[in-house]
Amino acid sequence: DGGITQSPKYLFRKEGQNVTLSCEQNLNHDAMYWYRQDPGQGLRLIYYSQIVNDFQKGDIAEGYSVSREKKESFPLTVTSAQKNPTAFYLCASSTYTDNEQFFGPGTRLTVL
Amino acid sequence: GQNIDQPTEMTATEGAIVQINCTYQTSGFNGLFWYQQHAGEAPTFLSYNVLDGLEEKGRFSSFLSRSKGYSYLLLKELQMKDSASYLCAVSPSNDYKLSFGAGTTVTVRA
Repeated sequence: DGGITQSPKYLFRKEGQNVTLSCEQNLNHDAMYWYRQDPGQGLRLIYYSQIVNDFQKGDIAEGYSVSREKKESFPLTVTSAQKNPTAFYLCASSTYTDNEQFFGPGTRLTVL
Repeated sequence: GQNIDQPTEMTATEGAIVQINCTYQTSGFNGLFWYQQHAGEAPTFLSYNVLDGLEEKGRFSSFLSRSKGYSYLLLKELQMKDSASYLCAVSPSNDYKLSFGAGTTVTVRA
């Protein structure tokens, strides 16, 4: 079955540590996205990538970094520079011709 | 920029009908998506409207008026499992990214 996987589902981190969230898709989609969701709020775009080895900042990129070395994978690193990293993180992917985005199950990050 | 507004919360009784409105002001417009998101889970696709009018899909229908910058999602014969957040998202004409509203939390009561 095709889909998007994110791991882990729950992640705890100490303040001052970097942490990397995994996102893998086997839908053969070219575009991939990272969103952050806070309680009672919609999805805010962190980074997105149209093609391998290329990515662009979204609306709230500060304190985050990404890489796109393979079409299937788009990991997100939450750095210690991110002031308020506790949130629900969602990864998504889409084709170019169809704007519908397919979402992974999400990773809930808690900074202790 | 993009400005997308939808109500924060709505409550309805099992078996009833609820209409969730979404208004948008965007720089270019391709179409409008509705997603359903249960607490702690990923959003799932409900509908995509490109042309004006009503599209019906079982108990759920979605309406679009491009000239008014307005859409609604209609949920009929509400069931307890319909308790969720409903996200309105706009696809701009010059971009493949989506801009999301804050979401409307619908609570269905017995």
